[in-house]
Amino acid sequence: DGGITQSPKYLFRKEGQNVTLSCEQNLNHDAMYWYRQDPGQGLRLIYYSQIVNDFQKGDIAEGYSVSREKKESFPLTVTSAQKNPTAFYLCASSRREGTDTQYFGPGTRLTVL
Amino acid sequence: GENVEQHPSTLSVQEGDSAVIKCTYSDSASNYFPWYKQELGKRPQLIIDIRSNVGEKKDQRIAVTLNKTAKHFSLHITETQPEDSAVYFCAARRAAGNKLTFGGGTRVLVKP
Repeated sequence: DGGITQSPKYLFRKEGQNVTLSCEQNLNHDAMYWYRQDPGQGLRLIYYSQIVNDFQKGDIAEGYSVSREKKESFPLTVTSAQKNPTAFYLCASSRREGTDTQYFGPGTRLTVL
Repeated sequence: GENVEQHPSTLSVQEGDSAVIKCTYSDSASNYFPWYKQELGKRPQLIIDIRSNVGEKKDQRIAVTLNKTAKHFSLHITETQPEDSAVYFCAARRAAGNKLTFGGGTRVLVKP
């Protein structure tokens, strides 16, 4: 999982602003995922992508958008439409076939001021 | 869709004792069940996983059992140590696609 990086580690946003969280992997994984984690809670899937130029909504996609223009990159934009964006955001990646263990990045903690 | 329930939500054990966490899943087509450990402020890390063609898997002090008929699987940690204190998540995945559904997590505290 050392091959997955997220930036920034901490992010502060004013209400009404869009912000973009970065996720990069050098593991040559096809599939990438974004999860949201609230304090004391589990992981909820926001979006996932199994191949370049294609992605699907997860369980809580409203107020978020993604793109997958490159295999290594899967940025997440938190839009002003997301009512309660303060959370810990985790990116993950996996192979699509064979040993498809999901590996997580170090996370980005987003706080809305 | 898949629903994964995890119990208990918190677990306190004495160092050296065993800890058991149980998860149930709803989708009978699920065939892959990983367990992740997350220390405070860190990323979840895979500690063990099991596939539906296996009933039990062990790795040193950690073991996972799977009962496909009852649709539940469990994590067993023996001889617990203070460094086992963390939040543990179970997850399940269907045969098609790589979308994991996570349980709500169990906070384990090992008291020295």
